[in-house]
Amino acid sequence: GAGVSQTPSNKVTEKGKYVELRCDPISGHTALYWYRQSLGQGPEFLIYFQGTGAADDSGLPNDRFFAVRPEGSVSTLKIQRTERGDSAVYLCASSPRQGYEQYFGPGTRLTVT
Amino acid sequence: LAKTTQPISMDSYEGQEVNITCSHNNIATNDYITWYQQFPSQGPRFIIQGYKTKVTNEVASLFIPADRKSSTLSLPRVSLSDTAVYYCLVGDFYSGGGADGLTFGKGTHLIIQP
Repeated sequence: GAGVSQTPSNKVTEKGKYVELRCDPISGHTALYWYRQSLGQGPEFLIYFQGTGAADDSGLPNDRFFAVRPEGSVSTLKIQRTERGDSAVYLCASSPRQGYEQYFGPGTRLTVT
Repeated sequence: LAKTTQPISMDSYEGQEVNITCSHNNIATNDYITWYQQFPSQGPRFIIQGYKTKVTNEVASLFIPADRKSSTLSLPRVSLSDTAVYYCLVGDFYSGGGADGLTFGKGTHLIIQP
């Protein structure tokens, strides 16, 4: 079956702009996770959802970052007033239930110029 | 929050067994241990998860001693395609709250040579 998909695969934006990154999880997976990964580092947790609600958003670095999952499926990570330090690969993962193995998407490479 | 320590890098050769050890001295009673593999330009891929003793699947084994303060991922007869970064995660994945166990750290960069 289809895996986790993320769009766009690459996004280049100017400092100060707003961006949205989309994640389509595996059908039926109730848990959805967002991470970001900088070069040479492991994935850094941002937020995870159980269904439509954010179960834990403690990893969001500041209030410029926000994520939604209105229908319990597709999720969008929103970044306002982007900064060069936001440049990274943003990874999305889903799992059948919290605690079970996570299935990762290919990521969106965000570059802020 | 259990903190993990892994070697930064390891080298081995095709056909050898590779063991990667992760230290987690502060592991809690409800914590599980999970390992992921990541290739360049891809998201991590689940390898194995365990709580105690030994777990084996088609790709790896996970050895956990009685005190659970460390764990060892064992990859039998590695090939060049096993060159990747391996992450050890520890946390109470099933608790229903918190991001415990979602810290990947820097992982172990395993390089397999011919």
